[in-house]
Amino acid sequence: AQTVTQSQPEMSVQEAETVTLSCTYDTSESDYYLFWYKQPPSRQMILVIRQEAYKQQNATENRFSVNFQKAAKSFSLKISDSQLGDAAMYFCAYRSAVNSGAGSYQLTFGKGTKLSVIP
Amino acid sequence: GAGVSQSPSNKVTEKGKDVELRCDPISGHTALYWYRQSLGQGLEFLIYFQGNSAPDKSGLPSDRFSAERTGGSVSTLTIQRTQQEDSAVYLCASSLTGSLHFGNGTRLTVT
Repeated sequence: AQTVTQSQPEMSVQEAETVTLSCTYDTSESDYYLFWYKQPPSRQMILVIRQEAYKQQNATENRFSVNFQKAAKSFSLKISDSQLGDAAMYFCAYRSAVNSGAGSYQLTFGKGTKLSVIP
Repeated sequence: GAGVSQSPSNKVTEKGKDVELRCDPISGHTALYWYRQSLGQGLEFLIYFQGNSAPDKSGLPSDRFSAERTGGSVSTLTIQRTQQEDSAVYLCASSLTGSLHFGNGTRLTVT
Protein backbone atom coordinates (compact mmCIF):
# COMPACT_ATOMS: atom_id res chain seq x y z
CA ALA A 1 0.00 0.00 0.00
CA GLN A 2 1.10 3.51 -0.71
CA THR A 3 1.98 5.85 2.13
CA VAL A 4 2.45 9.60 2.18
CA THR A 5 4.54 11.31 4.85
CA GLN A 6 4.57 14.97 5.75
CA SER A 7 7.28 15.39 8.34
CA GLN A 8 6.48 18.97 9.31
CA PRO A 9 3.31 19.21 11.44
CA GLU A 10 3.61 23.01 11.57
CA MET A 11 5.47 25.68 9.65
CA SER A 12 5.49 29.45 9.71
CA VAL A 13 6.59 32.03 7.18
CA GLN A 14 6.88 35.79 7.13
CA GLU A 15 4.53 37.53 4.75
CA ALA A 16 6.14 38.01 1.30
CA GLU A 17 8.79 35.37 2.04
CA THR A 18 9.15 31.89 0.55
CA VAL A 19 8.40 28.62 2.30
CA THR A 20 8.81 24.99 1.30
CA LEU A 21 6.62 22.17 2.59
CA SER A 22 8.00 18.64 2.44
CA CYS A 23 6.33 15.45 1.32
CA THR A 24 7.68 11.98 0.70
CA TYR A 25 5.80 8.94 -0.46
CA ASP A 26 6.31 5.25 -0.83
CA THR A 27 5.12 3.29 -3.85
CA SER A 28 6.20 0.49 -6.14
CA GLU A 29 4.26 1.95 -9.07
CA SER A 30 5.78 3.96 -11.88
CA ASP A 31 2.66 5.76 -13.06
CA TYR A 32 0.80 7.94 -10.60
CA TYR A 33 -0.33 11.43 -9.71
CA LEU A 34 0.68 13.67 -6.86
CA PHE A 35 -1.31 16.56 -5.47
CA TRP A 36 -1.12 19.36 -2.94
CA TYR A 37 -4.40 20.42 -1.36
CA LYS A 38 -5.03 23.42 0.86
CA GLN A 39 -7.63 23.31 3.65
CA PRO A 40 -8.47 26.68 5.23
CA PRO A 41 -10.69 26.91 8.33
CA SER A 42 -13.73 26.76 6.04
CA ARG A 43 -12.96 22.99 5.77
CA GLN A 44 -13.09 22.85 1.99
CA MET A 45 -10.16 21.05 0.39
CA ILE A 46 -8.84 23.18 -2.46
CA LEU A 47 -6.59 21.74 -5.14
CA VAL A 48 -3.36 23.76 -5.27
CA ILE A 49 -1.28 21.84 -7.77
CA ARG A 50 -1.07 18.48 -9.54
CA GLN A 51 1.88 16.56 -10.93
CA GLU A 52 1.83 13.57 -13.26
CA ALA A 53 4.69 11.19 -12.51
CA TYR A 54 5.57 10.68 -16.16
CA LYS A 55 6.27 14.38 -16.57
CA GLN A 56 9.79 15.45 -15.75
CA GLN A 57 8.92 19.13 -15.67
CA ASN A 58 7.87 20.45 -12.30
CA ALA A 59 4.32 21.80 -12.13
CA THR A 60 3.76 25.46 -11.34
CA GLU A 61 0.62 27.47 -10.58
CA ASN A 62 1.33 31.15 -10.10
CA ARG A 63 3.12 31.49 -6.73
CA PHE A 64 3.01 27.73 -6.12
CA SER A 65 5.57 25.31 -7.54
CA VAL A 66 6.73 21.82 -6.77
CA ASN A 67 10.08 20.07 -6.68
CA PHE A 68 9.30 16.56 -7.88
CA GLN A 69 12.13 14.08 -7.38
CA LYS A 70 10.81 10.75 -8.64
CA ALA A 71 13.83 8.64 -7.74
CA ALA A 72 13.85 10.03 -4.22
CA LYS A 73 10.04 9.84 -3.99
CA SER A 74 9.90 13.42 -2.86
CA PHE A 75 7.32 16.05 -3.74
CA SER A 76 7.81 19.39 -1.99
CA LEU A 77 5.66 22.48 -2.39
CA LYS A 78 7.20 25.94 -2.62
CA ILE A 79 5.07 28.98 -1.92
CA SER A 80 6.63 32.24 -3.07
CA ASP A 81 5.66 35.74 -1.92
CA SER A 82 3.55 34.27 0.90
CA GLN A 83 0.26 36.00 1.61
CA LEU A 84 -1.97 36.00 4.68
CA GLY A 85 -4.54 34.02 2.73
CA ASP A 86 -2.07 31.18 2.32
CA ALA A 87 -2.45 30.29 6.00
CA ALA A 88 -4.10 26.85 6.08
CA MET A 89 -3.48 23.14 6.43
CA TYR A 90 -1.67 21.71 3.42
CA PHE A 91 -2.05 18.09 2.47
CA CYS A 92 0.08 16.10 0.09
CA ALA A 93 -1.73 13.26 -1.70
CA TYR A 94 -0.94 10.33 -3.97
CA ARG A 95 -3.16 8.60 -6.50
CA SER A 96 -2.36 5.61 -8.64
CA ALA A 97 -2.84 5.88 -12.39
CA VAL A 98 -3.32 2.13 -12.75
CA ASN A 99 -6.40 0.08 -11.89
CA SER A 100 -5.04 -2.69 -9.70
CA GLY A 101 -8.15 -3.52 -7.77
CA ALA A 102 -9.88 -2.21 -4.69
CA GLY A 103 -8.62 1.14 -3.52
CA SER A 104 -6.69 1.86 -6.70
CA TYR A 105 -8.23 5.22 -7.45
CA GLN A 106 -8.45 6.62 -3.96
CA LEU A 107 -6.22 9.49 -2.96
CA THR A 108 -3.89 8.65 -0.09
CA PHE A 109 -3.23 11.71 2.04
CA GLY A 110 -0.47 12.71 4.38
CA LYS A 111 -1.36 14.02 7.84
CA GLY A 112 -0.90 17.61 6.79
CA THR A 113 1.25 20.63 7.58
CA LYS A 114 -0.28 23.63 9.29
CA LEU A 115 1.11 26.79 7.71
CA SER A 116 0.97 30.10 9.56
CA VAL A 117 1.76 33.38 7.82
CA ILE A 118 3.18 36.13 10.02
CA PRO A 119 2.26 39.69 9.03
CA GLY B 1 -21.19 25.27 -12.75
CA ALA B 2 -21.69 24.85 -9.02
CA GLY B 3 -19.18 22.96 -6.93
CA VAL B 4 -19.74 19.88 -4.80
CA SER B 5 -22.57 20.45 -2.34
CA GLN B 6 -22.92 18.62 0.96
CA SER B 7 -25.73 18.68 3.48
CA PRO B 8 -26.20 19.16 6.30
CA SER B 9 -23.22 21.34 7.11
CA ASN B 10 -23.36 20.23 10.72
CA LYS B 11 -25.16 17.35 12.39
CA VAL B 12 -25.44 16.54 16.07
CA THR B 13 -26.93 13.17 16.91
CA GLU B 14 -27.30 10.93 19.91
CA LYS B 15 -25.33 7.74 20.22
CA GLY B 16 -27.24 4.85 18.70
CA LYS B 17 -29.18 6.93 16.16
CA ASP B 18 -28.84 6.57 12.40
CA VAL B 19 -27.68 9.50 10.24
CA GLU B 20 -27.70 10.24 6.55
CA LEU B 21 -25.24 12.59 4.88
CA ARG B 22 -25.86 13.86 1.38
CA CYS B 23 -23.49 14.77 -1.44
CA ASP B 24 -24.39 16.46 -4.71
CA PRO B 25 -21.38 16.23 -7.05
CA ILE B 26 -20.36 18.51 -9.86
CA SER B 27 -22.57 17.86 -12.87
CA GLY B 28 -20.93 15.47 -15.31
CA HIS B 29 -18.37 14.11 -12.87
CA THR B 30 -18.41 10.33 -13.07
CA ALA B 31 -16.37 9.58 -9.97
CA LEU B 32 -17.50 10.28 -6.40
CA TYR B 33 -15.57 9.73 -3.19
CA TRP B 34 -16.34 9.84 0.52
CA TYR B 35 -13.59 10.60 3.01
CA ARG B 36 -13.57 11.00 6.78
CA GLN B 37 -11.38 13.50 8.62
CA SER B 38 -11.06 13.12 12.34
CA LEU B 39 -9.82 16.00 14.48
CA GLY B 40 -6.22 16.82 13.68
CA GLN B 41 -5.89 13.92 11.27
CA GLY B 42 -5.52 13.47 7.55
CA LEU B 43 -8.22 12.13 5.31
CA GLU B 44 -9.34 8.52 5.54
CA PHE B 45 -10.82 6.98 2.39
CA LEU B 46 -14.26 5.43 2.84
CA ILE B 47 -15.85 4.59 -0.51
CA TYR B 48 -15.53 5.34 -4.24
CA PHE B 49 -18.13 5.28 -7.02
CA GLN B 50 -17.22 5.30 -10.71
CA GLY B 51 -20.04 5.51 -13.22
CA ASN B 52 -22.20 2.39 -13.17
CA SER B 53 -19.44 0.13 -11.83
CA ALA B 54 -19.69 -1.59 -8.47
CA PRO B 55 -18.45 0.78 -5.76
CA ASP B 56 -15.09 0.33 -4.08
CA LYS B 57 -16.08 -0.11 -0.44
CA SER B 58 -12.63 -1.11 0.79
CA GLY B 59 -12.35 1.86 3.16
CA LEU B 60 -15.60 1.50 5.08
CA PRO B 61 -14.63 0.95 8.74
CA SER B 62 -17.55 -1.29 9.71
CA ASP B 63 -20.85 -2.67 8.45
CA ARG B 64 -22.61 0.23 10.15
CA PHE B 65 -21.42 2.38 7.26
CA SER B 66 -23.02 2.21 3.83
CA ALA B 67 -23.39 4.48 0.84
CA GLU B 68 -25.34 4.62 -2.35
CA ARG B 69 -25.31 6.75 -5.44
CA THR B 70 -28.56 7.13 -7.28
CA GLY B 71 -28.66 7.74 -11.01
CA GLY B 72 -24.94 8.30 -11.12
CA SER B 73 -25.34 11.63 -9.35
CA VAL B 74 -26.36 12.30 -5.75
CA SER B 75 -24.84 10.10 -3.06
CA THR B 76 -25.94 9.35 0.49
CA LEU B 77 -23.64 8.07 3.21
CA THR B 78 -25.54 6.32 5.99
CA ILE B 79 -24.15 5.54 9.43
CA GLN B 80 -26.30 3.23 11.53
CA ARG B 81 -26.22 3.04 15.32
CA THR B 82 -23.76 5.91 15.56
CA GLN B 83 -20.91 5.74 18.06
CA GLN B 84 -18.88 8.56 19.57
CA GLU B 85 -15.85 7.53 17.53
CA ASP B 86 -17.87 8.32 14.39
CA SER B 87 -17.58 12.02 15.24
CA ALA B 88 -15.62 13.60 12.40
CA VAL B 89 -15.92 15.71 9.29
CA TYR B 90 -17.22 13.70 6.35
CA LEU B 91 -15.98 15.03 3.03
CA CYS B 92 -17.34 14.21 -0.39
CA ALA B 93 -15.44 14.78 -3.62
CA SER B 94 -16.15 14.29 -7.29
CA SER B 95 -13.80 13.90 -10.21
CA LEU B 96 -13.72 13.68 -13.97
CA THR B 97 -10.02 13.74 -14.84
CA GLY B 98 -8.37 12.45 -11.70
CA SER B 99 -8.22 15.68 -9.70
CA LEU B 100 -10.71 15.59 -6.83
CA HIS B 101 -13.01 18.53 -6.15
CA PHE B 102 -14.25 18.57 -2.58
CA GLY B 103 -17.34 19.89 -0.87
CA ASN B 104 -17.29 21.75 2.44
CA GLY B 105 -18.01 18.60 4.39
CA THR B 106 -20.49 17.63 7.09
CA ARG B 107 -19.30 17.90 10.67
CA LEU B 108 -20.88 15.02 12.57
CA THR B 109 -20.95 15.12 16.36
CA VAL B 110 -22.20 12.08 18.24
CA THR B 111 -23.15 12.83 21.86
